Amino acid sequence: DTEVTQTPKHLVMGMTNKKSLKCEQHMGHRAMYWYKQKAKKPPELMFVYSYEKLSINESVPSRFSPECPNSSLLNLHLHALQPEDSALYLCASSQDRYQGTGGNTIYFGEGSWLTVV
Amino acid sequence: GNSVTQMEGPVTLSEEAFLTINCTYTATGYPSLFWYVQYPGEGLQLLLKATKADDKGSNKGFEATYRKETTSFHLEKGSVQVSDSAVYFCAPLDNQGGKLIFGQGTELSVKP
Repeated sequence: DTEVTQTPKHLVMGMTNKKSLKCEQHMGHRAMYWYKQKAKKPPELMFVYSYEKLSINESVPSRFSPECPNSSLLNLHLHALQPEDSALYLCASSQDRYQGTGGNTIYFGEGSWLTVV
Repeated sequence: GNSVTQMEGPVTLSEEAFLTINCTYTATGYPSLFWYVQYPGEGLQLLLKATKADDKGSNKGFEATYRKETTSFHLEKGSVQVSDSAVYFCAPLDNQGGKLIFGQGTELSVKP
C-alpha cells in the first residue's frame, strides 16, 4: 500500500478565512512533505517534516502554517491567503528523508485544489 | 546547483507510436532518479525509478535506464495508448537534502 490521503479534494476560501488541509499516510513513513503546484508548472517544495520535526521551510510566507501532530498526519493551516495562493497543494511522504541512494522513494497524494476568492 | 533539463512539450503522437521523452540532469554524486506522471486533474503518481548506474526502471510498458556517463534518464515506451495522455516529470533526488529536483514537465497527448 503506497497511499497518501488528502482532504479536502477541493476548497474555496475567502481572504479572511482560516482553513486547514489534511494529509494522512499509514506506510510507517517518517518524512512528510508539502508541495505547491501552479497550473502547467512542476511542484515546488514548501515544507519537509522529518520524524515529526520541521526540517525544511523553503521561505514560505507565514500565512501558511504546517503542523505534524504525529508520524501519520500532516496539516497545513491557511490564514489570510491571497488569490495568487490558489493552486494544487500536494502532500507526500517517504520512509526517511536521509535514506540516500538506497531507495528513498517519495509518494504523493491526489492533492487539494485550493481557490482563494 | 542541481538541475534538470527535460524535453519540452507538448508532444502529440498517434496511438501505437513510439515515445521518447529526454531528460538530462546535473547533480552532486549519484542521485536516485524518478519519473512521475500526472493525469489531468490528479496528483503525481510514481511511474518508475532507478537508484544506481545502469539500472533500468520499468512500469506499465514504460522504461528508463540510468546512464551515469551521459547523466541522462530518458523515458521510452514502444506503443503509446490514448490513456497515456498526461504530463510526465523527470526528477532526480538530491540525496543530501532529500529534495526532488523536478524538470519542467512534458505534456503528452496521444490521439486515436
